[in-house]
Amino acid sequence: GAGVSQSPSNKVTEKGKDVELRCDPISGHTALYWYRQRLGQGLEFLIYFQGNSAPDKSGLPSDRFSAERTGESVSTLTIQRTQQEDSAVYLCASSLMTSGEQFFGPGTRLTVL
Amino acid sequence: GNSVTQMEGPVTLSEEAFLTINCTYTATGYPSLFWYVQYPGEGLQLLLKATKADDKGSNKGFEATYRKETTSFHLEKGSVQVSDSAVYFCALSDFQGAQKLVFGQGTRLTINP
Repeated sequence: GAGVSQSPSNKVTEKGKDVELRCDPISGHTALYWYRQRLGQGLEFLIYFQGNSAPDKSGLPSDRFSAERTGESVSTLTIQRTQQEDSAVYLCASSLMTSGEQFFGPGTRLTVL
Repeated sequence: GNSVTQMEGPVTLSEEAFLTINCTYTATGYPSLFWYVQYPGEGLQLLLKATKADDKGSNKGFEATYRKETTSFHLEKGSVQVSDSAVYFCALSDFQGAQKLVFGQGTRLTINP
């Protein structure tokens, strides 16, 4: 079956612009996670959804970052007024339940000029 | 807070060599431990896991043993192949709620024929 998909695969934007990153989880997976990977670093947790609610937003680095999930399916991560330090690969993962194995998408590489 | 430290790369070996990638962690309580692998052009995949002390995770010839006394989860393989070339990430679960993962910085492994 289809895995986790993310779009776009690459995004180049200018400093100060807003960007939206999309994640399509595996069908039926109730838990959805966003992570960020900066160059040469490990993945950092950003936010977690259980269904459409986000009980854990502790990793969002600033109020410029927000995320939503609709229909227990697609999730969108929005970064407003992008800064150069936002440049990273943004990864989405989903799991059947919160205790289950996380399946990762291929990521969106964001470059802020 | 919880953290994972893994062997810095890159690591380059010849085919059939023995592989060890070190991983140590800091955590309160009893986390689950994971190794993820990212092959070129692909998303992160779970390689193996261990959920309690002295458990050994294994898959595709790779092994790692959960050592609570040394807070370690070193990845080993007796005879590597060119197809094992990838980036390897050690991770632990944040068990305080959702299973958000805390990752090490990754180790790039290259196997030469």
